Amino acid sequence: KAGVTQTPRYLIKTRGQQVTLSCSPISGHRSVSWYQQTPGQGLQFLFEYFSETQRNKGNFPGRFSGRQFSNSRSEMNVSTLELGDSALYLCASRAGENTEAFFGQGTRLTVV
Amino acid sequence: GQNIDQPTEMTATEGAIVQINCTYQTSGFNGLFWYQQHAGEAPTFLSYNVLDGLEEKGRFSSFLSRSKGYSYLLLKELQMKDSASYLCAVRSGGFKTIFGAGTRLFVKA
Repeated sequence: KAGVTQTPRYLIKTRGQQVTLSCSPISGHRSVSWYQQTPGQGLQFLFEYFSETQRNKGNFPGRFSGRQFSNSRSEMNVSTLELGDSALYLCASRAGENTEAFFGQGTRLTVV
Repeated sequence: GQNIDQPTEMTATEGAIVQINCTYQTSGFNGLFWYQQHAGEAPTFLSYNVLDGLEEKGRFSSFLSRSKGYSYLLLKELQMKDSASYLCAVRSGGFKTIFGAGTRLFVKA
């Protein structure tokens, strides 16, 4: 069974640009969550999707958005990139409501 | 607000036992998870507690006290490969998982 797949693995963008990150969950998992990980802050919750619906959103500005498709694949978008957006973005999928999360390898975004 | 606290760093000796504590304050509680994360890798699941008490899984055990908002992860017979960050996470109300900043464990020979 394939794990959670995130693409791309690495990305370098310039301030002001926008970026789209992709996540394919484990087959059969309909819940997908996104997190931002930085050395000082740990994992910060961005949003959670289930069956194409956003169920919750973390305390991030409106520049951060996401969506989930009918096949459970998810994308997140960050517009008007800032230097502080440089981080590892992790996606995780779950089989059930309160079961463990399976994480992808992440996308390391660097904003210059 | 919602908050999870755990020590930033701990050091222990190979073969010893180490306990990593986690305290939490969240809106709603649907379970507490521990994950292990090696440098440059994704977090991987270690344990899940939703009821009070101790859950044992091989060399790893996790304890939960919901009334105290407290959990710990116990690692026995430490090995060098256990050097990693350990993340405490609470599944709160509203389909949200809150993570602590993580505890970096250094295992020395």
